Amino acid sequence: SQTIHQWPATLVQPVGSPLSLECTVEGTSNPNLYWYRQAAGRGLQLLFYSVGIGQISSEVPQNLSASRPQDRQFILSSKKLLLSDSGFYLCAWSVLAGGGNEQFFGPGTRLTVL
Amino acid sequence: AQKVTQAQTEISVVEKEDVTLDCVYETRDTTYYLFWYKQPPSGELVFLIRRNSFDEQNEISGRYSWNFQKSTSSFNFTITASQVVDSAVYFCALSEDNDDMRFGAGTRLTVKP
Repeated sequence: SQTIHQWPATLVQPVGSPLSLECTVEGTSNPNLYWYRQAAGRGLQLLFYSVGIGQISSEVPQNLSASRPQDRQFILSSKKLLLSDSGFYLCAWSVLAGGGNEQFFGPGTRLTVL
Repeated sequence: AQKVTQAQTEISVVEKEDVTLDCVYETRDTTYYLFWYKQPPSGELVFLIRRNSFDEQNEISGRYSWNFQKSTSSFNFTITASQVVDSAVYFCALSEDNDDMRFGAGTRLTVKP
């Protein structure tokens, strides 16, 4: 069966510090991968998605970036965090073939920027 | 562009009551997909159902049922005989024949004992 991991589970970082969140998927090959952010009490905002190694699409301009160095690894980064980067970050995967496929989510990383 | 509206921000019911969560969507495509997810306090989103635009048959899974009506662009979710464990935020989402999924703002359901 497929599983998706995210770490760390929680993170407290000062403004201006770098960020690296990691997401890995097991049990599937060539997945689509996604990063979402959920601000407190709000819905999900799609940040990045990837259909393959090295292929990243960005949904919103921001000081975050994403990379996919391996088929089942997706990394969210920032060189300098802002207060507004605080939130709950969720990674998700879906099968590559076809469209309209359900996405399966990881446990999330709760980021607080102070 | 696709859009999903969940007008109910918060709903509170007493255990064993039935509750319906509303979802209204907008899309120009004839092929699209609708989803419901549950987000318990732990934060992880749990996939509940996927429905494509060509299948308007309602679905029932235990205490959960979904009513898809293209005429009103709605995909409502009903929980029968609610339980405290149903307390969560529920998200409706729409995808237009690709994997770009747009979520509604969510409805926070509280079931009181």
